[in-house]
Amino acid sequence: LAKTTQPISMDSYEGQEVNITCSHNNIATNDYITWYQQFPSQGPRFIIQGYKTKVTNEVASLFIPADRKSSTLSLPRVSLSDTAVYYCLVGRTMAAGNKLTFGGGTRVLVKP
Amino acid sequence: EAQVTQNPRYLITVTGKKLTVTCSQNMNHEYMSWYRQDPGLGLRQIYYSMNVEVTDKGDVPEGYKVSRKEKRNFPLILESPSPNQTSLYFCASSGRLAGIQETQYFGPGTRLLVL
Repeated sequence: LAKTTQPISMDSYEGQEVNITCSHNNIATNDYITWYQQFPSQGPRFIIQGYKTKVTNEVASLFIPADRKSSTLSLPRVSLSDTAVYYCLVGRTMAAGNKLTFGGGTRVLVKP
Repeated sequence: EAQVTQNPRYLITVTGKKLTVTCSQNMNHEYMSWYRQDPGLGLRQIYYSMNVEVTDKGDVPEGYKVSRKEKRNFPLILESPSPNQTSLYFCASSGRLAGIQETQYFGPGTRLLVL
């Protein structure tokens, strides 16, 4: 299983862009990179998933360099409601099993 | 509405009293998992199931049992709960699209206190 490393916490201000980098040096060829968001006492919620290059949806962008040993989640123009813990996961397809490991996550605090 | 439901949401029990936390999903997902979340330890997978009657251990299976008799349900059983199983539990489900893992949908969580 690919182990992930993320910063423990980050502070930001409303309207700013937040970038969270996740390291996954031993990512395997079949692994996808997925990011989840979790608010206190709630289950994690999917944000974005990618394999390589750049993926963008209505919530965030995910940048993955060619070597795929890291990835960066970008949250544009954050608001107070974006205060949450963000998890980076690296895992294989379901056919190879479903052992996904959540790391410690990055606690993002958005200030007024 | 697509969702994962868990019951009960809150439970206080005593050591050794068997309990079951139910989990149900209405998305016809093949894959279901149970996680526990503890302060400072993040989310840890307890058991997962790739389909009906197919289950396997996650990272912290000791003290837990699961069953998958129907596709929509995946109950978590604590035969003899102990205080170290006091935690916040999440059930999750996901489907598969062209062999690629789809996103996991998480339930609202069950907060368990074992006295």
